[in-house]
Amino acid sequence: GAVVSQHPSRVICKSGTSVKIECRSLDFQATTMFWYRQFPKKSLMLMATSNEGSKATYEQGVEKDKFLINHASLTLSTLTVTSAHPEDSSFYICSASTSGRRNEQFFGPGTRLTVL
Amino acid sequence: AQSVTQLGSHVSVSEGALVLLRCNYSSSVPPYLFWYVQYPNQGLQLLLKYTTGATLVKGINGFEAEFKKSETSFHLTKPSAHMSDAAEYFCAANTDKLIFGTGTRLQVFP
Repeated sequence: GAVVSQHPSRVICKSGTSVKIECRSLDFQATTMFWYRQFPKKSLMLMATSNEGSKATYEQGVEKDKFLINHASLTLSTLTVTSAHPEDSSFYICSASTSGRRNEQFFGPGTRLTVL
Repeated sequence: AQSVTQLGSHVSVSEGALVLLRCNYSSSVPPYLFWYVQYPNQGLQLLLKYTTGATLVKGINGFEAEFKKSETSFHLTKPSAHMSDAAEYFCAANTDKLIFGTGTRLQVFP
């Protein structure tokens, strides 16, 4: 149980284009989903927290217009990187929780974004 | 402010040797504590967690960790390393949000 999937697993795009990453909780309802960014050989940095049906809460320094997050249902959250640039290249990982920020989070397998 | 420190970005052990990965936290309130493992180009898998109760926590794959409040530590151990344990390990603490340490890469030599 508690499986989280991400799609795509890997994406390469041209600079200036937008990329959408999906995060799905497959066997449970996720009231809260989280998006993390991981730089090479670095730790995970929380980008934003989203609760189903409400606007995402972004961490300090994360551009909300750059990284659009939608959590339209209890099983799906999407992260759209708008007008991507090479510095947006990274490993993006989502996680899902049944309720609240303090409960255990179940992590997706990650999406490797490369912007040319 | 909450923080997590992992001492040693790289740890190397021989197969069959004891594994000890260190984690210290700083928090104004008792945190929930977690250890995750990450294999290359994959997400995080939970090894074990401490919320309340027994301070010695047993996890998957033979790992365990002990919460020591007086030392603000949550070190991860495994009595006998296996080649398949080679991976990146992250300690994390959660009071309001999940904060990760910088990770420790474990290498296991035959």
